[in-house]
Amino acid sequence: DQQVKQNSPSLSVQEGRISILNCDYTNSMFDYFLWYKKYPAEGPTFLISISSIKDKNEDGRFTVFLNKSAKHLSLHIVPSQPGDSAVYFCAASALFRGNTGKLIFGQGTTLQVKP
Amino acid sequence: EPEVTQTPSHQVTQMGQEVILRCVPISNHLYFYWYRQILGQKVEFLVSFYNNEISEKSEIFDDQFSVERPDGSNFTLKIRSTKLEDSAMYFCASRSIGTGNTIYFGEGSWLTVV
Repeated sequence: DQQVKQNSPSLSVQEGRISILNCDYTNSMFDYFLWYKKYPAEGPTFLISISSIKDKNEDGRFTVFLNKSAKHLSLHIVPSQPGDSAVYFCAASALFRGNTGKLIFGQGTTLQVKP
Repeated sequence: EPEVTQTPSHQVTQMGQEVILRCVPISNHLYFYWYRQILGQKVEFLVSFYNNEISEKSEIFDDQFSVERPDGSNFTLKIRSTKLEDSAMYFCASRSIGTGNTIYFGEGSWLTVV
């Protein structure tokens, strides 16, 4: 039951360029979306989130876009830096519907930023 | 910045043994969670805990698993009789209510069942 999908297992980008990571979801009850960054043997680190009432949220070099009609969100990193190299997870929740706020994660995309 | 802390960072245990993984959530958070990640797979929800009781659990969280908040700060996950397939990274997480709904994760406890 893959309610959240990240179809690209890996992405390689040159330093200074834009990284675009994509995520699709199937459950229309999801109303809160998050991106996490994860290094091996460490816990997921929160990056940025967006609620379904918005279509864009920006925080420094990170911007998340939400297209509800397409059930698609993306994370843009501009400019990409070598320290951004990690696994990026998209996660979704039916948070504002009285849910426990549990997250459903995608499979992750490994980003490599080359110097 | 406040963080979720977990112990132990790594534990090796024999099949059939009981394991307790410990977590100290962020102090003003009210929702607590356990997730796990089997090597090479996605992060999976196990259980959520609110107001001193389980609020939701996944199919993975069977009778072999239990959670407890024994005092005002700790949150534990117990696996009664470990199986080989319980080998995974276990993440504790917590969330406040209201101002920001982000779930913050600990560094994880790597459990190896042999």
